[in-house]
Amino acid sequence: GIQVEQSPPDLILQEGANSTLRCNFSDSVNNLQWFHQNPWGQLINLFYIPSGTKQNGRLSATTVATERYSLLYISSSQTTDSGVYFCVMGAYGSGNTGKLIFGQGTTLQVKP
Amino acid sequence: DTAVSQTPKYLVTQMGNDKSIKCEQNLGHDTMYWYKQDSKKFLKIMFSYNNKELIINETVPNRFSPKSPDKAHLNLHINSLELGDSAVYFCASSQVKRGLYNEQFFGPGTRLTVL
Repeated sequence: GIQVEQSPPDLILQEGANSTLRCNFSDSVNNLQWFHQNPWGQLINLFYIPSGTKQNGRLSATTVATERYSLLYISSSQTTDSGVYFCVMGAYGSGNTGKLIFGQGTTLQVKP
Repeated sequence: DTAVSQTPKYLVTQMGNDKSIKCEQNLGHDTMYWYKQDSKKFLKIMFSYNNKELIINETVPNRFSPKSPDKAHLNLHINSLELGDSAVYFCASSQVKRGLYNEQFFGPGTRLTVL
């Protein structure tokens, strides 16, 4: 079946450091999103990025669909960046069906 | 204004009971979803409805039944609750155009605890 793999599974940073999170997927995507789940459990949209590069403040993301990976960059990390980062890919199937698959997440802890 | 809302936020119940979780979106989207997040934080899709039609139906016990009275609502009814049903359930919505899943927006989640 379709697989979505994220790395690293866990990451500890000192405040101010930069990091790159990776998401590999095994099939063609119609949709790729990055989410941040904060310590209170809320799922916050970061990027909808099936291809190309986007930036939003200290965060940016790049998806290279032909090579089946996406990267999330966090610069000048802050303690509020702590939480779990998920990528989710969507692939539309035949017969009006589809797949939406989450990666297992990267747990980030930013220390002051 | 809350884009995707779920009620209740917390639900504690006994094994064997029947319960429902409600979801509403005011984004004008045509597609809604239910996800389950287990204790290991893994998120898995359960169901998806597009214009009130079921389009994703993963391997979920038939004790779980989604109901979509209209495009803005997707409720989840669970019969004969079991301990293993304890989890956080998230509702989401998006617009699907020509088969493409566009950006999903998630509700705040419902933490279900079965005793």
